[in-house]
This record gives sequence, C-alpha cells and structure tokens, in this order.
Amino acid sequence: GQNIDQPTEMTATEGAIVQINCTYQTSGFNGLFWYQQHAGEAPTFLSYNVLDGLEEKGRFSSFLSRSKGYSYLLLKELQMKDSASYLCAVGKAAGNKLTFGGGTRVLVKP
Amino acid sequence: DADVTQTPRNRITKTGKRIMLECSQTKGHDRMYWYRQDPGLGLRLIYYSFDVKDINKGEISDGYSVSRQAQAKFSLSLESAIPNQTALYFCATSNHGGTVNEQFFGPGTRLTVL
Repeated sequence: GQNIDQPTEMTATEGAIVQINCTYQTSGFNGLFWYQQHAGEAPTFLSYNVLDGLEEKGRFSSFLSRSKGYSYLLLKELQMKDSASYLCAVGKAAGNKLTFGGGTRVLVKP
Repeated sequence: DADVTQTPRNRITKTGKRIMLECSQTKGHDRMYWYRQDPGLGLRLIYYSFDVKDINKGEISDGYSVSRQAQAKFSLSLESAIPNQTALYFCATSNHGGTVNEQFFGPGTRLTVL
C-alpha cells in the first residue's frame, strides 16, 4: 500500500516563502507529482520529480529524496492568488496511477 | 481550453436512484480515470481505463461502475446512490510513453445524495 503525509494547513504572508513537506511510503515508485487546487476547482499540474534533487519552475520549486521518501514544494514570493490547496501525489508505473495525500491548504495573508 | 469536460456539474439526487456522470476529452489521451474527493481525504481513485473496453478497479470501486465505449468518453455510474457517495467527482486523462505523463483533470461534478 501507500501512505502519504502532508500538513493539513499552513499560513504565510504575501511576499514570503512557504515550504510544504510530503513524506511517503510506497512500492513501484514512478515519480512524485505536485498539484495546485483552488477551492471548488480542478487540480492543475505544478511539478514532477522522478530523480533526486531540486526542480525549479519560476516561483515554484520541488525537491525529492527517494531514499528518505520525502519531497517538498517551495513557493517563493508568495502572492494572494497562491492561496489554494497543494496536493502531493505518488505515481506508480502501471497505468500512470496516482495516489494522493490529503492536501495542504495554504492561506496567504496580506 | 476545455480539454476535459464533465456533465453534469452539479447534481442532487435521492437515495436509491441510479446516476450517471459523463466525462469527455479532446486531448486524444488513451488513459482516463475517475476520482472522488472528500474533505480531508484527498482524491481517491475509483476506476481507471487504459483504452476502449479496458476497465480496472481503483481503491474504492464498490458501489460504482464505469463504461469506456469510446476513447474520448468515460462514464461513471452509481447503480443505487447512497448518502455517503456525496462528494466531488473528478475525471482525469493522461497519455503514455512520455517523460512526465501528468494527469489532466476535468472541472468536477458535485454530487449530493439525500
């Protein structure tokens, strides 16, 4: 089975940095995905890590350590529009199946 | 761009009724998925399909059935709806053979079973 843990909620100030951690236990690992989901909307793809290390995409970066079963999503220069839930998901090779964590709700305050 | 669409967007029904949720995609992807989302539980996979006529159970398939009669369409049925099937339902698609193969989600169907 798979067990994915991430914090339920985080609060940060506009312009600051927030790091969302995700730990997982899985077999057949085929990548770690991060999705953003605004309230009542569809999740949208943010990043993908399959090898250890940091992937940077503008204000968002994602890190993976496969040996530790650990990933984080780093959001820099926070903007009000970044208030959303951030979903960590582990991919399995067969069928591109994803198993999602419960999501971290990030609230950005002025 | 509405590459993945779901109908209806909202539905209220009564216990025991049969309900069908439809998903269509214009992305040309071969793989399609149905998830439900409940507060605090994240997205959970109900069924998935690799291609037409291919059906696979996810982690919570009991009480649901699906049909994949065409590559672009994947429908989810609740044969006899019950209140604990009240949730937000998402359809997703993905391709295969690429590097990332991320899933693309539809806008969701909010289902309430009274």
